[in-house]
Amino acid sequence: EAGVAQSPRYKIIEKRQSVAFWCNPISGHATLYWYQQILGQGPKLLIQFQNNGVVDDSQLPKDRFSAERLKGVDSTLKIQPAKLEDSAVYLCASRLVRGAGELFFGEGSRLTVL
Amino acid sequence: GQQLNQSPQSMFIQEGEDVSMNCTSSSIFNTWLWYKQDPGEGPVLLIALYKAGELTSNGRLTAQFGITRKDSFLNISASIPSDVGIYFCAGQLSRGSQGNLIFGKGTKLSVKP
Repeated sequence: EAGVAQSPRYKIIEKRQSVAFWCNPISGHATLYWYQQILGQGPKLLIQFQNNGVVDDSQLPKDRFSAERLKGVDSTLKIQPAKLEDSAVYLCASRLVRGAGELFFGEGSRLTVL
Repeated sequence: GQQLNQSPQSMFIQEGEDVSMNCTSSSIFNTWLWYKQDPGEGPVLLIALYKAGELTSNGRLTAQFGITRKDSFLNISASIPSDVGIYFCAGQLSRGSQGNLIFGKGTKLSVKP
């Protein structure tokens, strides 16, 4: 069974530029999450989708971050404009059922903002 | 926001020794997940726990869901060099979680051959 796929693995941009990350969850998983992991810390939730609807985006910095999951399968996370403090690993994760069961992560997209 | 206290923050042990780490909270959880993360990789699920008192093993790893539902521990027996990495606990609140998981700050494990 294929796992959670993410791309790109690495991205280096200058501040004020924009960047987009893509995620394809495990087939059949209704719930998709984006996490931000800053070096030396645990993952921090940015947004949770249930199918193509947003369940929780309370921790998403909406002035610069946006995310969508239009067809309820793959998802895109965008940052525009990027700040130095956005340097982190962006992890996508999926779960078969919202609120229950195991959560599986992709390998992450490492962003460096110069 | 809700926090999980994960300890210890780091451990330096000799190969062959046993390891124990834990996560605690003031809130009640209905799910505990334990992950291992290697450098440059995403977290990999080790063990999932869903009931208070549940004790689950995965090879040399054993994890327990605390009876109070506010804590969990992970033990690694007879550590080997490939156990090196960062271990995270993640918990889901019994109420008001919206299906979200809270992560601890991680325990960094170093193993000396």
